[in-house]
Amino acid sequence: NAGVTQTPKFQVLKTGQSMTLQCAQDMNHNSMYWYRQDPGMGLRLIYYSASEGTTDKGEVPNGYNVSRLNKREFSLRLESAAPSQTSVYFCASHRWGTYEQYFGPGTRLTVT
Amino acid sequence: EDQVTQSPEALRLQEGESSSLNCSYTVSGLRGLFWYRQDPGKGPEFLFTLYSAGEEKEKERLKATLTKKESFLHITAPKPEDSATYLCAVQGDNAGNMLTFGGGTRLMVKP
Repeated sequence: NAGVTQTPKFQVLKTGQSMTLQCAQDMNHNSMYWYRQDPGMGLRLIYYSASEGTTDKGEVPNGYNVSRLNKREFSLRLESAAPSQTSVYFCASHRWGTYEQYFGPGTRLTVT
Repeated sequence: EDQVTQSPEALRLQEGESSSLNCSYTVSGLRGLFWYRQDPGKGPEFLFTLYSAGEEKEKERLKATLTKKESFLHITAPKPEDSATYLCAVQGDNAGNMLTFGGGTRLMVKP
């Protein structure tokens, strides 16, 4: 079991460029999440998908879009990157009937 | 709105020196309180879930306890490999699937 995997590990973008962060899990979990982690701000939820075919906004959704491609994959898209989106992005998943979430290794994104 | 505050922000211990990390929370009906460990450059690693006041969970040198207002992560005789940032999170009845995280405590254990 690889658990939760994320690609890429690192990315540098220029302001205005777009990119998609990929996430996949092999634990047969129903729900998936995207967080960002910033110094002094802790982990904040961007979007989540409670099940295949559904997505909902979290605490900080502005500037992002998501796609739940299938049960395994959940992608995060930045359409027009801004320096304020410089952060470390984590994907997580959990199985119905439990509350604990399992995290991927993260993507470190820098927007110049 | 659910809130989580962790203290101290940073803690330096000598190997073998036991101590506790604090997580204070306010939540509208607690579904669960979670402890995670995060190593530099890695994602949070799940440690414990606590569901109700009085509950305790243990794993090696770590023991988590829960009251109605706070949780403690007790570290007994820590080793250098216990050095990491420890995160606390809560899920409340009104939060849907959302977890609210605290800012974390950075633990450094010197040999």
